[in-house]
Amino acid sequence: KAGVTQTPRYLIKTRGQQVTLSCSPISGHRSVSWYQQTPGQGLQFLFEYFSETQRNKGNFPGRFSGRQFSNSRSEMNVSTLELGDSALYLCASSSATLAPLHFGNGTRLTVT
Amino acid sequence: QQPVQSPQAVILREGEDAVINCSSSKALYSVHWYRQKHGEAPVFLMILLKGGEQKGHEKISASFNEKKQQSSLYLTASQLSYSGTYFCGTEQRRETSGSRLTFGEGTQLTVNP
Repeated sequence: KAGVTQTPRYLIKTRGQQVTLSCSPISGHRSVSWYQQTPGQGLQFLFEYFSETQRNKGNFPGRFSGRQFSNSRSEMNVSTLELGDSALYLCASSSATLAPLHFGNGTRLTVT
Repeated sequence: QQPVQSPQAVILREGEDAVINCSSSKALYSVHWYRQKHGEAPVFLMILLKGGEQKGHEKISASFNEKKQQSSLYLTASQLSYSGTYFCGTEQRRETSGSRLTFGEGTQLTVNP
């Protein structure tokens, strides 16, 4: 079974731009979560989608948004990028309630 | 609120044991443990639920003390492959069903030959 796939692996953007990250979950997984990982803050929850609906949301500004498509693939968008948005963005899928999260290898975003 | 992990880092020789603790100031419903090797994605180790039993995974086991809002991860007879950063993720409400985890800052474990 293929794992969670995130694209692209690396991105370099400048302040003020926007970016879209993509995540393909493991086949059959309907829940997709997004996390931001930075050296200082660790892993922080952004949001979770289930069956195309945002089920949970973390404490990030409105510049961070996401969506999920009918095939469970998910995208995350960050608008008006700031230097502090530089991070590794991890996507995770799971199959059921309290099931393990399966993480992708992440997209490393650098904002200059 | 972010759980507190201790120690922040630990260095072991192969075959030694280690304990990693995860504490929360709030009542917890579940505690999840993950390991991340450098440059790789976090990998699931185990989930402990309120009212559940101690879990085990080969030579890695964990406990969950609901009264103290604390979980401990036990690594026995450590192997080189155990090196990595260990994260605990906590959840306060059953309703979020394991899909919204608050992670600690991680414990960096290094196992040397």
